[in-house]
Amino acid sequence: AQSVAQPEDQVNVAEGNPLTVKCTYSVSGNPYLFWYVQYPNRGLQFLLKYITGDNLVKGSYGFEAEFNKSQTSFHLKKPSALVSDSALYFCAAGDTGNQFYFGTGTSLTVIP
Amino acid sequence: DGGITQSPKYLFRKEGQNVTLSCEQNLNHDAMYWYRQDPGQGLRLIYYSQIVNDFQKGDIAEGYSVSREKKESFPLTVTSAQKNPTAFYLCASQQGAGYSNQPQHFGDGTRLSIL
Repeated sequence: AQSVAQPEDQVNVAEGNPLTVKCTYSVSGNPYLFWYVQYPNRGLQFLLKYITGDNLVKGSYGFEAEFNKSQTSFHLKKPSALVSDSALYFCAAGDTGNQFYFGTGTSLTVIP
Repeated sequence: DGGITQSPKYLFRKEGQNVTLSCEQNLNHDAMYWYRQDPGQGLRLIYYSQIVNDFQKGDIAEGYSVSREKKESFPLTVTSAQKNPTAFYLCASQQGAGYSNQPQHFGDGTRLSIL
């Protein structure tokens, strides 16, 4: 079965420190990979995507993600966390049939 | 501005009642999706439609129904057969088949509760 895993339900990081939110996927072929952010009582907002090419992709609000094909991972990173980055983050994979598979989400808390 | 509009934002259902959640998009997207979000469970796919007048069941379709009579609209009906409807419902759209590398766009959700 196709799936996306986010192994950490909760990540806490101090403001100004680097942050990483982990994602691994098990989707056949060469899936497209996405990160979304969700604030309370809102929909998901697109942050960035990996299609092909450079393994490090840059997105909105200073976020970036590192693709690793051998480890089937797509970890979200930011060099310096802000309190306003506190939110729920979802990793997703899309296959060529336009099906999308979401992880269960990681709640990020940035501590002032 | 282009986007997806879900209404109402909050909805209450009485025992034995069907309720319909609205989803409208002006992005000219072919594909539309309904997800259910429960705490700690991420997003679960209810129904999706890749084109007008066609839709497919997702992972948790029982107790729900949809229609896709217009490209812009994909309403979801939560029927009385859905015994545990309390959740946050999200609608999304995406450019469509052949554009799988494009992200989904989400509305701001409808929170459904039982009275």
